Amino acid sequence: QSALTQPASVSGSPGQSITISCTGTSSDVGNYNYVSWYQQHPGKAPKLMIYDVTNRPSGVSNRFSGSKSGNTASLTISGLQAEDEADYYCSSFTSSSTVIFGGGTKLTVL
Amino acid sequence: QVQLVESGGGVVQPGRSLRLSCAASGFTFSSYGMHWVRQAPGKGLEWVAEIWSDGLNKYYADSVKGRFTISRDNSKNTLYLQMNSMRAEDTAVYYCARAPSGYVYFDYWGQGTLVTVSS
Repeated sequence: QSALTQPASVSGSPGQSITISCTGTSSDVGNYNYVSWYQQHPGKAPKLMIYDVTNRPSGVSNRFSGSKSGNTASLTISGLQAEDEADYYCSSFTSSSTVIFGGGTKLTVL
Repeated sequence: QVQLVESGGGVVQPGRSLRLSCAASGFTFSSYGMHWVRQAPGKGLEWVAEIWSDGLNKYYADSVKGRFTISRDNSKNTLYLQMNSMRAEDTAVYYCARAPSGYVYFDYWGQGTLVTVSS
C-alpha cells in the first residue's frame, strides 16, 4: 500500500496560518476517523499533535487543529511560531487493520 | 512519567537476525497496544507492526510480514521485535510507540534505536 500523499514542503511567516493536506483513499482516510498527525524535529522522536481527526492531546497548543473531508485530512497551524518549524506526518488506520503514514511535510517558518 | 526505551540496535549482515527490545515504565503496560515504527535515514515514518495489549493479535506491514515477529512480555513490561532475514532496506531507526487500547494513534514514543544492515 502506498503512503498517504502530503506536500513535500510548506512555508509561512510568523503569525500566519498554514494547512498541510493528507490524501488517502476510501480504504483508509476516507473510511475511518482514525487520522492522526505527528510533529518531528530533527534527531527527535515524533510527537503526537492531533488524533482521531480533530482531537488535540493535553499540552498541545490550540494553534493546531485537524479536519477531514472525504479522502483528505488536513492539519492547520495558526499563528505560526519559529518552534513550529519541523516535519509533519499524518497517519491513518486502514481496511487491512494496518497503519499507513504520509510521506511527510517539511514546514519552514520564514 | 511514561518512558519507552529501545535497545538492541546495531550493525547486522544481510540475511542475519536481530532482536530489538523496548522497556516500558510509568504506566500499566498490559493495558496498551504497542507498535514498532521505523524511519530510514533521511526518509519518512513507516509503520512496522502492532501487538494488542493481551498479545493475542498481531499485525504487520507487508514489507516485513513473514520476516519480523512482534511480541511482548507483560510480566517484564517489555516489547520485542525479532527481525530475521534482514535486508539492506531494513536499515532505519526503530521506534516503539504506545497506543491506547482500541485506538490507532501513538501517544508516546521511545527515542529510537538504529539498525544498520550491511556487509
